Amino acid sequence: DGGITQSPKYLFRKEGQNVTLSCEQNLNHDAMYWYRQDPGQGLRLIYYSQIVNDFQKGDIAEGYSVSREKKESFPLTVTSAQKNPTAFYLCASSRELAGAQYFGPGTRLLVL
Amino acid sequence: GNSVTQMEGPVTLSEEAFLTINCTYTATGYPSLFWYVQYPGEGLQLLLKATKADDKGSNKGFEATYRKETTSFHLEKGSVQVSDSAVYFCARKTGTASKLTFGTGTRLQVTL
Repeated sequence: DGGITQSPKYLFRKEGQNVTLSCEQNLNHDAMYWYRQDPGQGLRLIYYSQIVNDFQKGDIAEGYSVSREKKESFPLTVTSAQKNPTAFYLCASSRELAGAQYFGPGTRLLVL
Repeated sequence: GNSVTQMEGPVTLSEEAFLTINCTYTATGYPSLFWYVQYPGEGLQLLLKATKADDKGSNKGFEATYRKETTSFHLEKGSVQVSDSAVYFCARKTGTASKLTFGTGTRLQVTL
């Protein structure tokens, strides 16, 4: 079945630690996105990528980094510079940049 | 600026009641409009969309009509079920812009 997978479902981060969230899609979509969701709020865009080896900052990129070495994969690293990382992280993809976005199941990041 | 405003929740209804969740937007141009649904602990699922004025998106008994004159995209369903309990997000995209702008979400609770 085609879709978007995110792992792990839950992730714990210690102070000063970098952690990486995985996002894989087999939909053959060119564009991929990372969003952050806080309780009672909408989604905010962290980074997006239109094509392999290219990515752009979203609205809240500080403290995060990404890579796009393969079309299918768009991992997100939450660095120690992100002072408030506890949130639900959602990955999405779309066929082209202006197309409807399809979401993965999310990763919940908690700070120990 | 460009924004999406949704009615605040939670919205609590009895099974088989009529549902309306209001959504209005501000934008330059004519944005594509979307409704997404999020079930507890999951990612977002695209529910329906409309790409131009007077378009009606529909899926699973839900409908929304793109009203340019009132800049609205209200979600409706004639008879809700307990299984419709979820958070509903309205979103917009403009032209070739790369991102979706989401409303803050409206929680729907349907009781027997």
